Amino acid sequence: KAGVTQTPRYLIKTRGQQVTLSCSPISGHRSVSWYQQTPGQGLQFLFEYFSETQRNKGNFPGRFSGRQFSNSRSEMNVSTLELGDSALYLCASSLAVLAGINEQFFGPGTRLTVL
Amino acid sequence: AQSVTQPDIHITVSEGASLELRCNYSYGATPYLFWYVQSPGQGLQLLLKYFSGDTLVQGIKGFEAEFKRSQSSFNLRKPSVHWSDAAEYFCAVAPSGTYKYIFGTGTRLKVLA
Repeated sequence: KAGVTQTPRYLIKTRGQQVTLSCSPISGHRSVSWYQQTPGQGLQFLFEYFSETQRNKGNFPGRFSGRQFSNSRSEMNVSTLELGDSALYLCASSLAVLAGINEQFFGPGTRLTVL
Repeated sequence: AQSVTQPDIHITVSEGASLELRCNYSYGATPYLFWYVQSPGQGLQLLLKYFSGDTLVQGIKGFEAEFKRSQSSFNLRKPSVHWSDAAEYFCAVAPSGTYKYIFGTGTRLKVLA
């Protein structure tokens, strides 16, 4: 079974631009979560989608948004990029049909550098 | 507030030595508990998980972890470390009834030959 895939793997943008990252979950997984990983803040939860609905959101500004499509693929968008948005963005998928067992499987991440 | 603490930022051990990585959580009830490992430039790989039942859980790569409710801890152990275990290790909790993981800040393991 193929794992979680994320595209692109690397991105370089300049301040003020916007960026879209893509995540394809494991086949059959309907939950997709996004995390930002930085050396200073560690892993921080951005949001989680299930069946095209956002069920949970972390403490990030509105510049960070996401969506999920009917095939469970997900995208996250960051508008008006700031230098501090440079990070590894990780996507994780899970069956997560019920509130409870939430084993997540992570993709390799997208490394975003903002200049 | 819910939180996860990994008190050791860096740990160095010799190959063949035993290892224990500490994890403490703050949460009103017993959450779901996980240990992940991240190699440089890679995503996170699940080592083991605790949902309920036996408090000593076995994972992949020879790792085990013990849940101690009285101490709110979920420490990761390995009896004999291999050079390939050098990586960063993250403890995570998922409070029951949510779909959100809370991660610790990670422990970076260095293995000396």
